[in-house]
Amino acid sequence: AQSVTQLGSHVSVSEGALVLLRCNYSSSVPPYLFWYVQYPNQGLQLLLKYTSAATLVKGINGFEAEFKKSETSFHLTKPSAHMSDAAEYFCAVSDRVIMNRDDKIIFGKGTRLHILP
Amino acid sequence: SAVISQKPSRDICQRGTSLTIQCQVDSQVTMMFWYRQQPGQSLTLIATANQGSEATYESGFVIDKFPISRPNLTFSTLTVSNMSPEDSSIYLCSVEKGDTEAFFGQGTRLTVV
Repeated sequence: AQSVTQLGSHVSVSEGALVLLRCNYSSSVPPYLFWYVQYPNQGLQLLLKYTSAATLVKGINGFEAEFKKSETSFHLTKPSAHMSDAAEYFCAVSDRVIMNRDDKIIFGKGTRLHILP
Repeated sequence: SAVISQKPSRDICQRGTSLTIQCQVDSQVTMMFWYRQQPGQSLTLIATANQGSEATYESGFVIDKFPISRPNLTFSTLTVSNMSPEDSSIYLCSVEKGDTEAFFGQGTRLTVV
């Protein structure tokens, strides 16, 4: 069964500094990996996804993530943090194409990103 | 893409009562998913709802507590029955489009007093 571990429930960075949110996964087959963002009082929005194409995935709002099979990691980065990036970020994994009722997305516990002025 | 409207956005309910949450999608989808997000926790899948069949519940969730309806391909409801304070949570509706992407409603923030 697949699982996701996000290191750090809270991360604080200064505005303009590098953002690094860590995610490690466990999967018995090549995974599909996702990062979602949840702004206050809103639902989840997809930031980016890895589906076995390029290992470096670029998403919205300047975020990107790199799939590293050897490290079973899919860390999220952004070169320069902005105040508007303050939100909850969820890493998620799925084992296959999501059209089968037996396939589910497994979410990590989330990391709340705080941006310091 | 998919646009999901979820109602109500929030509610405060008395223990012992029930609340029905509605989820409307702007396009037809095969499967709709209901999640619970407890304070400080991640999303936990409650059940998967297919049109024309009974919902499939995850371990720890039962139909008597969380009855689900799926009358057509664009609509579903989740009822939280006989509520207790432990049911205070955010409930999220989700659908999947294309081959990999999940879309979420804005969630229903439920407080049981």
